[in-house]
Amino acid sequence: LAKTTQPISMDSYEGQEVNITCSHNNIATNDYITWYQQFPSQGPRFIIQGYKTKVTNEVASLFIPADRKSSTLSLPRVSLSDTAVYYCLVGDQTGFQKLVFGTGTRLLVSP
Amino acid sequence: DAGVIQSPRHEVTEMGQEVTLRCKPISGHNSLFWYRQTMMRGLELLIYFNNNVPIDDSGMPEDRFSAKMPNASFSTLKIQPSEPRDSAVYFCASSPVPPELAGERKNIQYFGAGTRLSVL
Repeated sequence: LAKTTQPISMDSYEGQEVNITCSHNNIATNDYITWYQQFPSQGPRFIIQGYKTKVTNEVASLFIPADRKSSTLSLPRVSLSDTAVYYCLVGDQTGFQKLVFGTGTRLLVSP
Repeated sequence: DAGVIQSPRHEVTEMGQEVTLRCKPISGHNSLFWYRQTMMRGLELLIYFNNNVPIDDSGMPEDRFSAKMPNASFSTLKIQPSEPRDSAVYFCASSPVPPELAGERKNIQYFGAGTRLSVL
């Protein structure tokens, strides 16, 4: 399984764009990059997944460069409710869906 | 859809007692996962099942932990006897594994709200 590295914490203010970068130098050809969000006292929640280039949904955008050794989760115009821990995962696409959650990035959004 | 349902939400017990955590996965999902989350170790995968069969239990800490999935709609995680170091939040997650989508969207798991276990 590819190991991921992401910042332990980030601070932001309401209305700003937040970019969280994750490094995954050993990503394999068939691996997908997936991001989860976890609010306090809740289980992680899937937010976005991609393989290469850019993916956008109603929650976030995911930017993946051509070499796929990193990815950036972009949250546009964050609000207080975006305060959470964000996990970057690179999945094992062979066989079953075993995920390894790292320490994640704790995002604190202030007024 | 009600999502993944876990019970109880909170459990307080004394050291040495048996603890049983329960999980109802999302209907139609083929894979089920048990995780444990602590401040020190983060989110750890304990065991996962596919089509009710345990596939990988290498994350189970020791013989005091056991998990079963008697049918597609129910799973239990049992700790016997419990110890204070077992105090954590235990999450259950489920995932659809459609074979026809091999290689796509295989990392999406749906988590329950968790069971917060305190062993005194």
